[in-house]
Amino acid sequence: EPEVTQTPSHQVTQMGQEVILRCVPISNHLYFYWYRQILGQKVEFLVSFYNNEISEKSEIFDDQFSVERPDGSNFTLKIRSTKLEDSAMYFCASSEALPDEKLFFGSGTQLSVL
Amino acid sequence: QKEVEQNSGPLSVPEGAIASLNCTYSDRGSQSFFWYRQYSGKSPELIMFIYSNGDKEDGRFTAQLNKASQYVSLLIRDSQPSDSATYLCAVEDSARQLTFGSGTQLTVLP
Repeated sequence: EPEVTQTPSHQVTQMGQEVILRCVPISNHLYFYWYRQILGQKVEFLVSFYNNEISEKSEIFDDQFSVERPDGSNFTLKIRSTKLEDSAMYFCASSEALPDEKLFFGSGTQLSVL
Repeated sequence: QKEVEQNSGPLSVPEGAIASLNCTYSDRGSQSFFWYRQYSGKSPELIMFIYSNGDKEDGRFTAQLNKASQYVSLLIRDSQPSDSATYLCAVEDSARQLTFGSGTQLTVLP
């Protein structure tokens, strides 16, 4: 069964450093998303991406965040200067088509900012 | 601010019983409603979606939607210990963003 894959599974970084989280969405999906979940809290929407551009973003997704689809398969989330409060599980997701929004989530990257 | 509210639980039911999970939402423009299951330390997994008022059944799962009351629920029949997880209600709002509830932790006792 096709799945969304994310690497790395764990990332530890120092505050102020840049991190790049990587995702390979399901191959025939057209919409890509990043969500995050701080330990014990809700899953929160960060950004959606379609046709090589951001389609929606939340208030969390400020200038420190960026997304990119550098080739035909990868989808990345970059955090330019990490803060302690960026520590969370980051989930990549993809969906075949709107308006169904049936999201398939990757297994996540646990980001720890020290 | 758009809100999706769930009872956090924990909800405990004996094996074989019906588990009932509830969710309310604030955005009347919401069109699509989803239930995800999340095991501890794992990613959310879609188990049901519903767009129209009424009931939708899939195996042991039934989703119920009442847009007038802004209420969506999930029934799990013949609950199994493997159903023990956190169940997340998610609502797609008029801006096509998914807003998740905080989840209801379900424990099915053998």
